[in-house]
Amino acid sequence: DQQVKQNSPSLSVQEGRISILNCDYTNSMFDYFLWYKKYPAEGPTFLISISSIKDKNEDGRFTVFLNKSAKHLSLHIVPSQPGDSAVYFCAASARGYSTLTFGKGTMLLVSP
Amino acid sequence: DAGITQSPRHKVTETGTPVTLRCHQTENHRYMYWYRQDPGHGLRLIHYSYGVKDTDKGEVSDGYSVSRSKTEDFLLTLESATSSQTSVYFCAISEDRRSYNEQFFGPGTRLTVL
Repeated sequence: DQQVKQNSPSLSVQEGRISILNCDYTNSMFDYFLWYKKYPAEGPTFLISISSIKDKNEDGRFTVFLNKSAKHLSLHIVPSQPGDSAVYFCAASARGYSTLTFGKGTMLLVSP
Repeated sequence: DAGITQSPRHKVTETGTPVTLRCHQTENHRYMYWYRQDPGHGLRLIHYSYGVKDTDKGEVSDGYSVSRSKTEDFLLTLESATSSQTSVYFCAISEDRRSYNEQFFGPGTRLTVL
């Protein structure tokens, strides 16, 4: 039973446009959400996070939106750059637990 | 970047042989994790540790064991490697913060079991 779902295995976007990566979750206990970026042959790197007490968190070109009622979050990248081409993982955590549950990832390709 | 190293970075071994992967951190973080990454499965937790000699199972722990005798080292052992354990293995660390749980990852070990 997948508790964190990234239903789009891949996404292609043109440079300069907006990239929107989506993530859904099923566990109501999740209260902290993270996005990681992964380049080939490297470990995942933390990108941005959001607590359930917020509905938006912004860091430069990256914004994460959280819709608790829909159990849905999204990562917006504006403007997209070729260097953003990577696999993006959504992850979730529940308060009091020290583990993360990851989605399967979405491969983003930003073309010049 | 968090000080996390993994060794070896690449390993090819044969079915039935024991394999140990090492994760070393210089951050003095309490929590350490082992994941495997496979196509179509994302990152799946194998085992994790919440302190020296304190470990617990993750989602895909069968066939794996771990040990943590020092804060800085977390070992993952495949007692008798199988072809299904061919994967990329990542170690991660996190501080003991009750309000959130960001994990920082090592560079990975690519393991091939023939």
